[in-house]
Amino acid sequence: RKEVEQDPGPFNVPEGATVAFNCTYSNSASQSFFWYRQDCRKEPKLLMSVYSSGNEDGRFTAQLNRASQYISLLIRDSKLSDSATYLCVVNLVGTSYGKLTFGQGTILTVHP
Amino acid sequence: GAGVSQSPSNKVTEKGKDVELRCDPISGHTALYWYRQSLGQGLEFLIYFQGNSAPDKSGLPSDRFSAERTGGSVSTLTIQRTQQEDSAVYLCASTQYYNEQFFGPGTRLTVL
Repeated sequence: RKEVEQDPGPFNVPEGATVAFNCTYSNSASQSFFWYRQDCRKEPKLLMSVYSSGNEDGRFTAQLNRASQYISLLIRDSKLSDSATYLCVVNLVGTSYGKLTFGQGTILTVHP
Repeated sequence: GAGVSQSPSNKVTEKGKDVELRCDPISGHTALYWYRQSLGQGLEFLIYFQGNSAPDKSGLPSDRFSAERTGGSVSTLTIQRTQQEDSAVYLCASTQYYNEQFFGPGTRLTVL
């Protein structure tokens, strides 16, 4: 079983749609959680950290369920510029230090 | 300010040759990481340097892979006797304390 598993995708949605990505992790000792975004042939960049209480950043909402070992990302009012691969990332350490474990990524394409 | 830089951006080599990949982290960042991203494999951790501590080499796939970090700054990842399965994008990241891991643009290695 992979340590971090994501929806296989790809997701192909029209502008303005709401789309949700799910992710599960296998190590219950995991302490910190992130969503990274990776554009085609570019490096990954942090989109947002994920907190136990859930957190929102503009159109993006992230949630964590420790009991189910489940992380989600919701994107509202999708824009063309949201097209990218979204990576679910887990760390055994409660900071950005330490080796990150990445999911395979979910490809999102937003079309006009 | 300057981000993480890596060189070369692309490297094509013949099977059996040695290659060196370089990473310049963000100035002042104490931790440096190497990851690789292969088609269909996602991003996987290779090695991690934190200050003067012994590096975490747990992700290195074989003893053909080694890395060093000189003077707490620049790092070199060396792959000896390259194999075709070593073809991937090698990504370097750095971080400081509780901030995010910032990734460089990567080196695309192709082993013929």
